[in-house]
Amino acid sequence: DGGITQSPKYLFRKEGQNVTLSCEQNLNHDAMYWYRQDPGQGLRLIYYSQIVNDFQKGDIAEGYSVSREKKESFPLTVTSAQKNPTAFYLCASSLGQGPYEQYFGPGTRLTVT
Amino acid sequence: RKEVEQDPGPFNVPEGATVAFNCTYSNSASQSFFWYRQDCRKEPKLLMSVYSSGNEDGRFTAQLNRASQYISLLIRDSKLSDSATYLCVVIPGTYKYIFGTGTRLKVLA
Repeated sequence: DGGITQSPKYLFRKEGQNVTLSCEQNLNHDAMYWYRQDPGQGLRLIYYSQIVNDFQKGDIAEGYSVSREKKESFPLTVTSAQKNPTAFYLCASSLGQGPYEQYFGPGTRLTVT
Repeated sequence: RKEVEQDPGPFNVPEGATVAFNCTYSNSASQSFFWYRQDCRKEPKLLMSVYSSGNEDGRFTAQLNRASQYISLLIRDSKLSDSATYLCVVIPGTYKYIFGTGTRLKVLA
């Protein structure tokens, strides 16, 4: 089955620790995205990548980092510099950077205390 | 003015009712539009694309009004399983995806 997987589903960390969220897709999509969703708010773009070894900052990239070494994988690191890291993190992919629908993974719910 | 605006609801409707939501957008150059459905604590799932000529899929109809800059989603014969949050997505000419904050629908038995 083609799709996007994210792991883990729930993640708990102490303040000051970096944490990496996994995102893998087997849809052969070129573009991948990371969003965060907070209660009562829309999705906000953190980073996106149109092609392997290339990525751009989204609207709220501060305190986050990404890599795109393989087409299938786009991990997100939440660093200790991110002031409010507790949120629902969603990874998505699309055929390309263009007017294509995005498909989402099941999300990772991160809680930092 | 926000780039994309939706009435947050909730819209409480009885089973079998017809309900419609609108989503307004500010960038007149916007090219592509989608409706997604998001269940509580789950990821958004694509419901349908919105074409200039409209789009119908079973009980769901999506329409685009470029003159007034909004898209709409109509749900006929509402089912309990339609209860969810409906997100609109607008892609301006820059190909950045702009998500609305969603409209919450509750279908009541």
